[in-house]
Amino acid sequence: AQRVTQPEKLLSVFKGAPVELKCNYSYSGSPELFWYVQYSRQRLQLLLRHISRESIKGFTADLNKGETSFHLKKPFAQEEDSAMYYCALETSGSRLTFGEGTQLTVNP
Amino acid sequence: EAGVTQSPTHLIKTRGQQATLRCSPISGHTSVYWYQQALGLGLQFLLWYDEGEERNRGNFPPRFSGRQFPNYSSELNVNALELEDSALYLCASSLGTAYNEQFFGPGTRLTVL
Repeated sequence: AQRVTQPEKLLSVFKGAPVELKCNYSYSGSPELFWYVQYSRQRLQLLLRHISRESIKGFTADLNKGETSFHLKKPFAQEEDSAMYYCALETSGSRLTFGEGTQLTVNP
Repeated sequence: EAGVTQSPTHLIKTRGQQATLRCSPISGHTSVYWYQQALGLGLQFLLWYDEGEERNRGNFPPRFSGRQFPNYSSELNVNALELEDSALYLCASSLGTAYNEQFFGPGTRLTVL
């Protein structure tokens, strides 16, 4: 069965520091991975997806099939990046399997 | 463009009752998804409807059911409510083809007493 693991429930960094939010998955098929973000008092929204290979708000994520990982990275964190981040795996039937989320706090 | 809307915002029921949650997708979206976010369990996939048909179902008992109407809006029904059904229920919509972005609504907070 598919599974997404985000090992850190909480992550705290200082403004300007690099940040990496970890995501590992298990899935026997070809994975399609996403990062969703939820800012305070806002709804869950897509940050980026593997298939687009894009950089959004300075964040990037590389799919490493050997390590079954899809870590989210940003070289210089900003205070407005503070939010809850969810890694998600889309499998057959368009269902998203979410990790439990990482609460990122960027301190001034 | 209006986003996904859900009603009601909050719903309080007692054990054994039935709850009905509603979702209106973004105009042009044919797929609607339901997720449950229970405390300590994260976001779990419940149901996927597309073009009026149930396409996929998560690992939930049959008392969780729903439907999609011709205008693509959707209802989630939870029968014989149990205390552990207390959760935030999120609805999302998409264009209905694989790997399309799912746009989420604000959720309905269901409390079962």
